[in-house]
Amino acid sequence: AQKVTQAQTEISVVEKEDVTLDCVYETRDTTYYLFWYKQPPSGELVFLIRRNSFDEQNEISGRYSWNFQKSTSSFNFTITASQVVDSAVYFCALSEAMDSSYKLIFGSGTRLLVRP
Amino acid sequence: DGGITQSPKYLFRKEGQNVTLSCEQNLNHDAMYWYRQDPGQGLRLIYYSQIVNDFQKGDIAEGYSVSREKKESFPLTVTSAQKNPTAFYLCASSIVASKSTDTQYFGPGTRLTVL
Repeated sequence: AQKVTQAQTEISVVEKEDVTLDCVYETRDTTYYLFWYKQPPSGELVFLIRRNSFDEQNEISGRYSWNFQKSTSSFNFTITASQVVDSAVYFCALSEAMDSSYKLIFGSGTRLLVRP
Repeated sequence: DGGITQSPKYLFRKEGQNVTLSCEQNLNHDAMYWYRQDPGQGLRLIYYSQIVNDFQKGDIAEGYSVSREKKESFPLTVTSAQKNPTAFYLCASSIVASKSTDTQYFGPGTRLTVL
């Protein structure tokens, strides 16, 4: 069965530190998509990135960067120079085929606390 | 502004009551989803709908029901048969459900508490 593991339950850093959130996945599919979402205290999930299995290039967006390594089935997320506003729960997710549709398999999330 | 709205934000239910959670989207998306989130856990799929008047069960559909009479609306009813309904409920939508590329966008959620 498909599975997403976020082993870090909670991480606490001081503002301006860099922090990496780990995501390891299991899938039998040769083509698949991985996602990261941010859930701030308000509760809404905010989409951050989508990455397909054929594109192993690292991606950078401002202070955010993502490292996709197919060889280790990992899709890690790094925040550079963290800020208090980065405090949230972050979810990694994997798309899984079901009948004629797709669903997302979510990890259990990593709670990031950035202290001033 | 395009987006997904959910109401109410907080909902309290007495045991034995059915309650309905609202989800509306004006993104013109075909597919809509309901997820349940329990503390310290990821999201689990309750129901999804690929098109109007069609919906399928997800991983934890027991005790829940849905309808999809309009493209923009996908209400979720939590019935008295749901043994442990206290949770955070999130609605999402995507352009279509038939492509793994499609990104799901989420509403702000409804927190349901059974008294």
